[in-house]
Amino acid sequence: QQPVQSPQAVILREGEDAVINCSSSKALYSVHWYRQKHGEAPVFLMILLKGGEQKGHEKISASFNEKKQQSSLYLTASQLSYSGTYFCGTVDMDSNYQLIWGAGTKLIIKP
Amino acid sequence: NAGVTQTPKFQVLKTGQSMTLQCAQDMNHEYMSWYRQDPGMGLRLIHYSVGAGITDQGEVPNGYNVSRSTTEDFPLRLLSAAPSQTSVYFCASSYGGLAGGHTDTQYFGPGTRLTVL
Repeated sequence: QQPVQSPQAVILREGEDAVINCSSSKALYSVHWYRQKHGEAPVFLMILLKGGEQKGHEKISASFNEKKQQSSLYLTASQLSYSGTYFCGTVDMDSNYQLIWGAGTKLIIKP
Repeated sequence: NAGVTQTPKFQVLKTGQSMTLQCAQDMNHEYMSWYRQDPGMGLRLIHYSVGAGITDQGEVPNGYNVSRSTTEDFPLRLLSAAPSQTSVYFCASSYGGLAGGHTDTQYFGPGTRLTVL
């Protein structure tokens, strides 16, 4: 079942912070975060694994609450380059280890 | 390394035509997959492969076939194109096999933009 992302879109001024949420109705093995710029392919940001391990960029932070089946991506001191659509992908016990992607959160950064 | 390459970048088909979208990777990745992305939506898995000779269906497999004869290549065949298959198609690969794949970074190709008239 598709994870739910919120908000659907957010507009920020450069330097402001943003939080993007991803929630699932199922127990999760892992949560993946990717950013996609218009007309381009998704690019890896972070993986959060059950048990607390994280893999990803140093300047991107995220949390994974296993009990609540939720993850949040934190973008601090946003830069113009952060603009794009952010997707979470989740792996749950019913997905046969395949990623199920959310609908995305569009982030617009204004100077 | 070229990473993940896809051809063609753009394609227009008429209803009923067939074609093959090509995908290749030079990273020796076991796992490869095909997604489609419709406007304003996330990625939906069509088919995936955990190694040469092994393929399986994803969320939306109808109307598509795949094969994996080599580690490097994973073509996607549209059997009889329909307007509902108008979409952007992405191929992706990652290092791990089935169970390990969900812990690994997926590398995406640049996409193929397909229009079916």
